[in-house]
Amino acid sequence: KQEVTQIPAALSVPEGENLVLNCSFTDSAIYNLQWFRQDPGKGLTSLLLIQSSQREQTSGRLNASLDKSSGRSTLYIAASQPGDSATYLCAVRRDAGGTSYGKLTFGQGTILTVHP
Amino acid sequence: DGGITQSPKYLFRKEGQNVTLSCEQNLNHDAMYWYRQDPGQGLRLIYYSQIVNDFQKGDIAEGYSVSREKKESFPLTVTSAQKNPTAFYLCASSIVIPGREQFFGPGTRLTVL
Repeated sequence: KQEVTQIPAALSVPEGENLVLNCSFTDSAIYNLQWFRQDPGKGLTSLLLIQSSQREQTSGRLNASLDKSSGRSTLYIAASQPGDSATYLCAVRRDAGGTSYGKLTFGQGTILTVHP
Repeated sequence: DGGITQSPKYLFRKEGQNVTLSCEQNLNHDAMYWYRQDPGQGLRLIYYSQIVNDFQKGDIAEGYSVSREKKESFPLTVTSAQKNPTAFYLCASSIVIPGREQFFGPGTRLTVL
């Protein structure tokens, strides 16, 4: 059974810092990994999607890396801003073995607070 | 605007009642999903559907039911058999091609009184 763990559970940093959020998964047979942002009481916004054959993806100040063999992914946020404050969730999609559906398994999230 | 809508945003239920949460999408996605989120936890899959008139149980389907009569709609019924229904419910959709991302609605917060 796939298990996804995110460390730390919460993180508080001053504005301007570069930071790293960690995600680990127990079963390396994944199809891809997705990072989401969730604001309080809201739905999820997709940030980055990394296919299992890729090592990293970048979008603006965000960079996500994937080491499939070791079961790890990191989300790097450069020059953090108060508007980055949210919960960040990672989710892995299992390798469906050629079928069209692969279930997403989520971590419990990292609550990020960036203070001015 | 294309997207996923969920209604209502807040829902209160008395014990013993069934309630239905609405999820509608105009993204022309074939696949739709229902997740449950509890405080401090990640999302857990309740049901999913890859095509109209077909759906499959997820990890925590007990006490829930769904229907998929139209491509655009995937309502979730929380029955009285669900022992602890108070949670945040999220609907998502995607195209049915491996590796494509899921898009999420704004969620419905259900509280049992």
